[in-house]
Amino acid sequence: KNEVEQSPQNLTAQEEEFITINCSYSVGISALHWLQQHPGGGIVSLFMLSSGKKKHGRLIATINIQEKHSSLHITASHPRDSAVYICAALYLTGNQFYFGTGTSLTVIP
Amino acid sequence: NAGVTQTPKFRILKIGQSMTLQCTQDMNHNYMYWYRQDPGMGLKLIYYSVGAGITDKGEVPNGYNVSRSTTEDFPLRLELAAPSQTSVYFCASSPYQRVLTSYEQYFGPGTRLTVT
Repeated sequence: KNEVEQSPQNLTAQEEEFITINCSYSVGISALHWLQQHPGGGIVSLFMLSSGKKKHGRLIATINIQEKHSSLHITASHPRDSAVYICAALYLTGNQFYFGTGTSLTVIP
Repeated sequence: NAGVTQTPKFRILKIGQSMTLQCTQDMNHNYMYWYRQDPGMGLKLIYYSVGAGITDKGEVPNGYNVSRSTTEDFPLRLELAAPSQTSVYFCASSPYQRVLTSYEQYFGPGTRLTVT
């Protein structure tokens, strides 16, 4: 089954804390997509990766193909990082993304 | 570029009514998608299209229809609306699926639909 699981479901952090959000998938993938959904509902793409690590500002995404696991890290978190973070997997056998249920992050000043 | 636009933003339908959700992209993307997002659930794919004239079913196509007569437009039709179709609907597009960066999806702002 093409499942994508995220943990934790909810996360509250103090400003400046280092944050990790996890994503696991079940079989081989072509690509792993990290997205951010703002409190107003809009969805934006953060990273697309198939191996290794990518960095953009304070955000870092990593993927371990052997362990079928990806992480999204936020360094020096800020209240404006408060959002739902979603991962989605594009499996080798198909041409559609399967989405996790999201991690709701709240960063407190 | 406006990116991906959706109309309407909000809509309330009565059971049995029909409506069309509009989606337009101005990025000349080949791939377009319709998703629904229910509370506590991940985005579910309803239909997708790999180019004008070509559409295919996703995970949850029942109760919906699509067409793709142009590269820009990908409307989603709800026939005989039911309360189970109450959801937030997102349209998305991506260039194509050959190199990694081209899988990236660009989302519209969403349409919040309530069926009562």
